[in-house]
Amino acid sequence: DVKVTQSSRYLVKRTGEKVFLECVQDMDHENMFWYRQDPGLGLRLIYFSYDVKMKEKGDIPEGYSVSREKKERFSLILESASTNQTSMYLCASSPNRGRPPLGETQYFGPGTRLLVL
Amino acid sequence: GESVGLHLPTLSVQEGDNSIINCAYSNSASDYFIWYKQESGKGPQFIIDIRSNMDKRQGQRVTVLLNKTVKHLSLQIAATQPGDSAVYFCAEAYYKLSFGAGTTVTVRA
Repeated sequence: DVKVTQSSRYLVKRTGEKVFLECVQDMDHENMFWYRQDPGLGLRLIYFSYDVKMKEKGDIPEGYSVSREKKERFSLILESASTNQTSMYLCASSPNRGRPPLGETQYFGPGTRLLVL
Repeated sequence: GESVGLHLPTLSVQEGDNSIINCAYSNSASDYFIWYKQESGKGPQFIIDIRSNMDKRQGQRVTVLLNKTVKHLSLQIAATQPGDSAVYFCAEAYYKLSFGAGTTVTVRA
């Protein structure tokens, strides 16, 4: 069964804090993704990774960084949290079945709702 | 550019009736389509997918129809249940997935 887990369901942080969001998948998937989801804007891709230690910018990478030291784990880092980063953050993973990394079925975690005060 | 949209932002359905959720896409090169379900407070859940060489695919209580001529995708849910209340997204893929904004389905008892 497909399983993507995220370290926290809810987080409250203060402006300027460094924030770590962790994601783990147990399906041996090559590709992992971080999205944010905001009302009226849908899902927006922040960063993705198609291999260990590899990362690519998505559509809205500004203010974020990522780390992928192990295949199963993909971390999203907010270096200095700001109020406009208050959002729902979704991690996803997908296998490599011959399609481009971004064009394969993605399986999502439960999400982390982050509030930055 | 790519544009994926759902015809209606909300849909209210009587329990036991069939639901039809529509989606229009703009990229004629898209070759793969996915429907997701997102319940309140949870992440999107894969429901069913279809490749562009098919026009219909059935799952458990769900059917996806693809009309490439008019670039239209639909999700049909048979005998809608209260647990089907959620936001439904379509996604189209060519080299990347593009997600629609979603249709909120509410099931009336």
